[in-house]
This record gives sequence, C-alpha cells and structure tokens, in this order.
Amino acid sequence: EVQLVQSGAEVKMPGESLKISCKGSGYSFTNYWIAWVRQMPDKGLQWMGIIYPGNSDTTYSPSFQGQVTISADKSISTAYLQWSNLKASDTAMYYCAIGLYYVGTFQGAFDIWGQGTMVTVSS
Amino acid sequence: DIQMTQSPSSVSASVGDRVTITCRASQGINSWLAWYQQKPGKAPKLLIYAASSLQSGVPSRFSGSGSGTDFTLTISSLQPEDFATYYCQQANSFPYTFGQGTKLEIK
Repeated sequence: EVQLVQSGAEVKMPGESLKISCKGSGYSFTNYWIAWVRQMPDKGLQWMGIIYPGNSDTTYSPSFQGQVTISADKSISTAYLQWSNLKASDTAMYYCAIGLYYVGTFQGAFDIWGQGTMVTVSS
Repeated sequence: DIQMTQSPSSVSASVGDRVTITCRASQGINSWLAWYQQKPGKAPKLLIYAASSLQSGVPSRFSGSGSGTDFTLTISSLQPEDFATYYCQQANSFPYTFGQGTKLEIK
C-alpha cells in the first residue's frame, strides 16, 4: 500500500525552529514528486512547494520562498518541511502529497496525501 | 502566479440534485487542472486530473470538463457523502495554485 505518514502535532513558540517529516512507503520514493500544502484554520489550501527526491530538485511558491525549507532524505524515504523562525501566522495544518503519474508522466495532481501535521505557534 | 477563481464560494443543494462548480484561471492552462474534495478534518482527495480524467476509485457521477481558462466540475446526482468542500488546482506551471474552494452544503 502506498502511503505517506507525517510526524505528529507540534506546539512551538514564536522564533523557534521546527522540522516536520513525511515518510513514504510502498512505492519508489525517489521517482515521485512530493508537494507540501498549507491549510490555515478554517481556510483553503495553499500550495507551498515541491521536491523531486531523486535529485532534490525543489521549487517554492513565491509566498513561501525564504520562509520555509523543503528537503528530502532518500535513504530513509522521508521528505521534510522546516522553519528557522516560526511566527504565529505559521499556525496551520500541513500536508504532504505524492504526485500522480499516468503512463509515466507526472500529471501535476496529487493522489496520495499524508494525514497532516498540525503546527501551533503561540506564546 | 496563475490565479484560480472558483464560483460559487458556497452552494446549497439536495440529495439527487445536479451541481456544477466553476473554476477560472487567470491565464490559459491547457488541460492542466485537478479537482479535489475535502471533508472536515480530512486530507484532500483527488477526484479529477487533466481537467476530465476520473481518478481511479472515484464514482462516475463526478465529471470534469474545460480547457484553456474555464473549467467545470459536475456532480450528476448528489449523494449524502458528497457534501464537502471542493478545490481546483492548476498544474500548468510552478507555482501550482489552488482555487479558494467551494463549500457544498445540504439544503
């Protein structure tokens, strides 16, 4: 079974750093794009960025460029999203998701999602 | 960035109704569009990719159409489990972007 399992909920203070994880299993981790998506409380989905674990090729949404770092460790089939200076406005649910491929071509959509990691930043 | 605008933002409908949700891109995206369903407390679920391709396991009452800048998601006969929020997402170019969502509520 293909699945993504994300790390647990976090409660942090403003200014702290954080790294959350997304572990893939049941598929070839290095060959599929993984995206990160933010959902602030009672708000819509925001596409943050994407990584190709095979070569760590990464693209960020301008809204998140410089605010977060996306990385992957293919030796343990795990993608990461990290912050160095958390703000209250980073409070949100964060999802990772695997890119959908059809006949070997990435379709730009995401068909397998992690369960989400809730990050709460509060003083 | 390509902006995605969904309409309506919310809609009330009854079981058995036919419902259409529209998504408009700020520039042409060919057929690089996906639709997702999200229920409260759950991760999004992919329904449609490439504007009109039904994802495996998704009921055939869901269909998508459109190309260029205008797209629609149609649910032919609403079922109780379809009441949720729906999002479109463009996949034409990075950064990918989502519409603001359409909440489908029970009338």
